Amino acid sequence: QQQVKQSPQSLIVQKGGISIINCAYENTAFDYFPWYQQFPGKGPALLIAIRPDVSEKKEGRFTISFNKSAKQFSLHIMDSQPGDSATYFCAASGDTDKLIFGTGTRLQVFP
Amino acid sequence: DSGVTQTPKHLITATGQRVTLRCSPRSGDLSVYWYQQSLDQGLQFLIQYYNGEERAKGNILERFSAQQFPDLHSELNLSSLELGDSALYFCASSRDPHQPQHFGDGTRLSIL
Repeated sequence: QQQVKQSPQSLIVQKGGISIINCAYENTAFDYFPWYQQFPGKGPALLIAIRPDVSEKKEGRFTISFNKSAKQFSLHIMDSQPGDSATYFCAASGDTDKLIFGTGTRLQVFP
Repeated sequence: DSGVTQTPKHLITATGQRVTLRCSPRSGDLSVYWYQQSLDQGLQFLIQYYNGEERAKGNILERFSAQQFPDLHSELNLSSLELGDSALYFCASSRDPHQPQHFGDGTRLSIL
């Protein structure tokens, strides 16, 4: 199964709150899980990525949590800011480099 | 700025026509990937080239073709265009296979 399922489709968070986006996959051959941020009119920008040998990776306000047994991974955005308002995509890849993307989550952070 | 350059930014053409989209990868990157983003299909991998050779193929239509030139820039050719080909086409590049992919800002193709 090549799908990556992403939820929720949209998310509204108050400034300073925590934004959480979840993804699930079926293919156990996947070994690279990046998150991309996309603003209107721009290409996806790599935010943070994780490989299955660790359960968590943190970069600034962004954290990936990875659960290998459940085949799930999530993005946490701490202290969410209006400037974080964008569409977020999870993705996965395995022995081939092609990224299989989730369907995206539109995040809106209100002041 | 990702360092990946795509031209043109916008392209408007008619059904049945042929277009060429161009991508210049980041300096030093040998791998180029093409993706299509549409409202109904999301972001879909089309094809990958590494150092001039095709490395992987996704859901790329037979009417579409690509190549990577000796200077590492890549072109995606779309022919016999249909209304359903209207989409954003992104190019990404990476240093080597299995390295992070960095995306350009895309070419918006509109078929009238």
